[in-house]
Amino acid sequence: DAGITQSPRHKVTETGTPVTLRCHQTENHRYMYWYRQDPGHGLRLIHYSYGVKDTDKGEVSDGYSVSRSKTEDFLLTLESATSSQTSVYFCAISGGTDNSPLHFGNGTRLTVT
Amino acid sequence: AQSVAQPEDQVNVAEGNPLTVKCTYSVSGNPYLFWYVQYPNRGLQFLLKYITGDNLVKGSYGFEAEFNKSQTSFHLKKPSALVSDSALYFCAVRPSGKFYFGSGTKLNVKP
Repeated sequence: DAGITQSPRHKVTETGTPVTLRCHQTENHRYMYWYRQDPGHGLRLIHYSYGVKDTDKGEVSDGYSVSRSKTEDFLLTLESATSSQTSVYFCAISGGTDNSPLHFGNGTRLTVT
Repeated sequence: AQSVAQPEDQVNVAEGNPLTVKCTYSVSGNPYLFWYVQYPNRGLQFLLKYITGDNLVKGSYGFEAEFNKSQTSFHLKKPSALVSDSALYFCAVRPSGKFYFGSGTKLNVKP
């Protein structure tokens, strides 16, 4: 596996609480992504980053924010968790060319009660 | 709008038989095309990609994919399926910095 670590691997939290998921890479890749995976929806892009402090929204960004203060770390924050954000979250990284594939972390299973 | 379609939620095939998992796409320009596999409780793993050139691309674990520009399709194939190929398969396209994924196809290979 590519050097991608997601933490925590599992989390249960209550509605209305803030939650931060962390993605750490050791590949020095430029691009980093956050996806969520839900049955029937495949993978949906939440936010992505194309460099330190350079981020952009994906197709399901409402309720989420991100930060990238250094190349190796990409944080996803749910400001006030809702039950609809119960999902499996995947971080992915990619090199600097458009034909570079994505490499995925092993995911974080988040349950919002 | 960019979209990727995997028309079959599930594909069933007997071990030793050939398999095909279908993918069609609708994106602007000439995107790069990818296939990924996901095993239970794991992230997606890269299988193969099409950049340009030969329409038949070979990848990991004996998989290959056939690109058809006129039909905007990129079907995943394997000549002889194994039980261990049972997993969830995703097609993806990358017209620019972003990747767009299909909804996934569950492949069941029966002994």
